[in-house]
Amino acid sequence: AQSVAQPEDQVNVAEGNPLTVKCTYSVSGNPYLFWYVQYPNRGLQFLLKYITGDNLVKGSYGFEAEFNKSQTSFHLKKPSALVSDSALYFCAVSLDLYSSASKIIFGSGTRLSIRP
Amino acid sequence: KAGVTQTPRYLIKTRGQQVTLSCSPISGHRSVSWYQQTPGQGLQFLFEYFSETQRNKGNFPGRFSGRQFSNSRSEMNVSTLELGDSALYLCASSPGRSQGLIGQETQYFGPGTRLLVL
Repeated sequence: AQSVAQPEDQVNVAEGNPLTVKCTYSVSGNPYLFWYVQYPNRGLQFLLKYITGDNLVKGSYGFEAEFNKSQTSFHLKKPSALVSDSALYFCAVSLDLYSSASKIIFGSGTRLSIRP
Repeated sequence: KAGVTQTPRYLIKTRGQQVTLSCSPISGHRSVSWYQQTPGQGLQFLFEYFSETQRNKGNFPGRFSGRQFSNSRSEMNVSTLELGDSALYLCASSPGRSQGLIGQETQYFGPGTRLLVL
């Protein structure tokens, strides 16, 4: 079965320290990988995606993610955390089912808390 | 460009009632998807519409239905509401391809409609 796992429900980091939010996936075929962020009472906001090419993807707000095919991971990283990064983060994998449809699976979400 | 808009933002209903939620995609976007977000189940895909046709459907009962209009606006309907339908319902739009590599597209989410069923 195809799945996405975010093994940590919560990640706590001090402001200024590097942060990592983990994501692993299990799919057949070539996945497209996404990270979204959700602030309170808001919808999801796109951060970055991996389609093909360079394994290191840079996105919004200084975030980046590394696609690791052998470890089937797509961890989200930032060199220096800000208090404003505190939010709920979702990893998602998308697959082309056939010519006119795709399937997207979201992870369970990781709550990132940055303390001043 | 204006973002994805959803109306209403908040809704309170009682069991057995029905509800209709509305979503206006980003101008020019032709694909609209709907998701249910709950603390227990996370984000679950409901369905996707493209050019007024349902292209994909998640694993939800037939009480959940939707449609898309010629201007790409979409509505979602839930009939015979149950307590477990209480959730944040999110709509997302994407530019839309008629076929091929659809999974690559980024989805742009609206703020959601928070539905409470009493």
